[in-house]
Amino acid sequence: ELKVEQNPLFLSMQEGKNYTIYCNYSTTSDRLYWYRQDPGKSLESLFVLLSNGAVKQEGRLMASLDTKARLSTLHITAAVHDLSATYFCAVGPGNYQLIWGAGTKLIIKP
Amino acid sequence: DAGITQSPRHKVTETGTPVTLRCHQTENHRYMYWYRQDPGHGLRLIHYSYGVKDTDKGEVSDGYSVSRSKTEDFLLTLESATSSQTSVYFCATQGGPSYNEQFFGPGTRLTVL
Repeated sequence: ELKVEQNPLFLSMQEGKNYTIYCNYSTTSDRLYWYRQDPGKSLESLFVLLSNGAVKQEGRLMASLDTKARLSTLHITAAVHDLSATYFCAVGPGNYQLIWGAGTKLIIKP
Repeated sequence: DAGITQSPRHKVTETGTPVTLRCHQTENHRYMYWYRQDPGHGLRLIHYSYGVKDTDKGEVSDGYSVSRSKTEDFLLTLESATSSQTSVYFCATQGGPSYNEQFFGPGTRLTVL
């Protein structure tokens, strides 16, 4: 059974700091996704990672994938308040379904 | 983003009442999904559809049924709502290759009293 674990589940940080959210998964997968969810809102796709060593960046967010370690990271550089949200990773086990992590609630204090 | 709407957006109902949630998409995506979101559980798949009249169960399908009679519509029915089904329900769609991301609707907040 494929399991996806995110850590930390909650993170409070100051603006301007750097931090990393980790996403571990238990079995082989060929694709990993990061989503963002603002309070009371829907989920928005951030990154799609499809191969070992894949790295994608958008603004202050950078995601990477290490399929051998079964690990993806979402790195936040010089955090700003607008990045406060809950971030989810999801893994595709080879069909059209996704298995989701529990989410990391990120609060960035001005 | 895919044009996905859900109706109703909010609903309060009583235990034992049947409830139907609707998802409508305008992108002609083949795959459609129903998830529920509860604190501490992330997203859990209820049912999904891989084509008209083709559906399958997800990890938390007990107490739910679905139907898809047209590409654009995917209905989720709670035959007899229970308080444990109080949740936020999201519909999602996916088109093209299997590695494409899923796109989400705005969600339906359901409260069962």
